[in-house]
Amino acid sequence: EAGVAQSPRYKIIEKRQSVAFWCNPISGHATLYWYQQILGQGPKLLIQFQNNGVVDDSQLPKDRFSAERLKGVDSTLKIQPAKLEDSAVYLCASSSPAVYNEQFFGPGTRLTVL
Amino acid sequence: GENVEQHPSTLSVQEGDSAVIKCTYSDSASNYFPWYKQELGKRPQLIIDIRSNVGEKKDQRIAVTLNKTAKHFSLHITETQPEDSAVYFCAASRGGTSYGKLTFGQGTILTVHP
Repeated sequence: EAGVAQSPRYKIIEKRQSVAFWCNPISGHATLYWYQQILGQGPKLLIQFQNNGVVDDSQLPKDRFSAERLKGVDSTLKIQPAKLEDSAVYLCASSSPAVYNEQFFGPGTRLTVL
Repeated sequence: GENVEQHPSTLSVQEGDSAVIKCTYSDSASNYFPWYKQELGKRPQLIIDIRSNVGEKKDQRIAVTLNKTAKHFSLHITETQPEDSAVYFCAASRGGTSYGKLTFGQGTILTVHP
């Protein structure tokens, strides 16, 4: 089966600019996650969707970050305006009830904010 | 919320030796404990996982043990090879209808010297 797809793979922006990342989960996976991985750290969950509903966004900086999954498939994560500390790899993952809890990760988008 | 502590942060072994990485968690309701391997610039990949109804699980050279009473779990790699060099992350989550967000440890950089 095809894996989790993400684009772009790399993005460099100036602080205060906006940026958007796209994720296409594995076909049939109802649960989608966005993680932020700062260099040298473990991934940190930003937001979790179940179909097109938000299950957990407690660690999402809502003043600048937003995410949507309108049709319950693809998802977009946006940052506006970006700060220097947003430089990180943004990982998308998906999971299916058939493979309980196992999360499959995409290749990530490496964001550099200058 | 859940807190996962991982030790050591770096581990250097000779090829053929064993490597052990330990994690502790705080949420007694956590019941799923995966281990991910992340090579430089690549996505995290699941290498083994364990659920709370099992004390030990083995897959070839890799094993994981879980002590629910003490709230800690460990990854054991035997007969290490240079290709085992990577960053290893432990994680913990609750199960249930939300499919459980993963809380990751800080990671262990494993270096296997030929």
